[in-house]
Amino acid sequence: EAQVTQNPRYLITVTGKKLTVTCSQNMNHEYMSWYRQDPGLGLRQIYYSMNVEVTDKGDVPEGYKVSRKEKRNFPLILESPSPNQTSLYFCASSSRGAFGTDTQYFGPGTRLTVL
Amino acid sequence: DAKTTQPPSMDCAEGRAANLPCNHSTISGNEYVYWYRQIHSQGPQYIIHGLKNNETNEMASLIITEDRKSSTLILPHATLRDTAVYYCIVRVASSNTGKLIFGQGTTLQVKP
Repeated sequence: EAQVTQNPRYLITVTGKKLTVTCSQNMNHEYMSWYRQDPGLGLRQIYYSMNVEVTDKGDVPEGYKVSRKEKRNFPLILESPSPNQTSLYFCASSSRGAFGTDTQYFGPGTRLTVL
Repeated sequence: DAKTTQPPSMDCAEGRAANLPCNHSTISGNEYVYWYRQIHSQGPQYIIHGLKNNETNEMASLIITEDRKSSTLILPHATLRDTAVYYCIVRVASSNTGKLIFGQGTTLQVKP
């Protein structure tokens, strides 16, 4: 089944304790992206990657890092989490080959609470 | 990317058609209309997209006006599982960032 998986789905942590949220897709998609969703602010893009070893900042990259060493994986790293990073996080992927058809597939979400 | 305007909420009776409107009066010629939905904190789900012709797939139909300034998503036979927030998004097909700009969307409540 074509899907985007994220782990963990739920995480409660404390300020300053480094954490990684994994994202993996099995559709051989070139493009992957991370969003965070907060009440009243909608979904905002954190980082994106056009292909392996190519990453770029989205709208809210502060406090986050990403890497794209393999096509299927795009982990989100919080080196020193802070309470304002408490949010619902979504990973997404898409094929960017055909014009007009790069629909995005989203993971199930990771709900992160930083105390 | 063009902005969109959607009603904040709508109700629909189960089994009836749900018609969700979207205004995008500043849409450019190379911008597509995409519809996604989000069922209670799950990941957004792609529904359908179109440029200027009406489109239909197994989930829904998309009707785009001739001037492309508005569109309507039609769920032909709404079920309780269609209760969700529906987002109308306008953007070029392959943007530099791939970013989808999710507005506030329309919360569709399907009632028995």
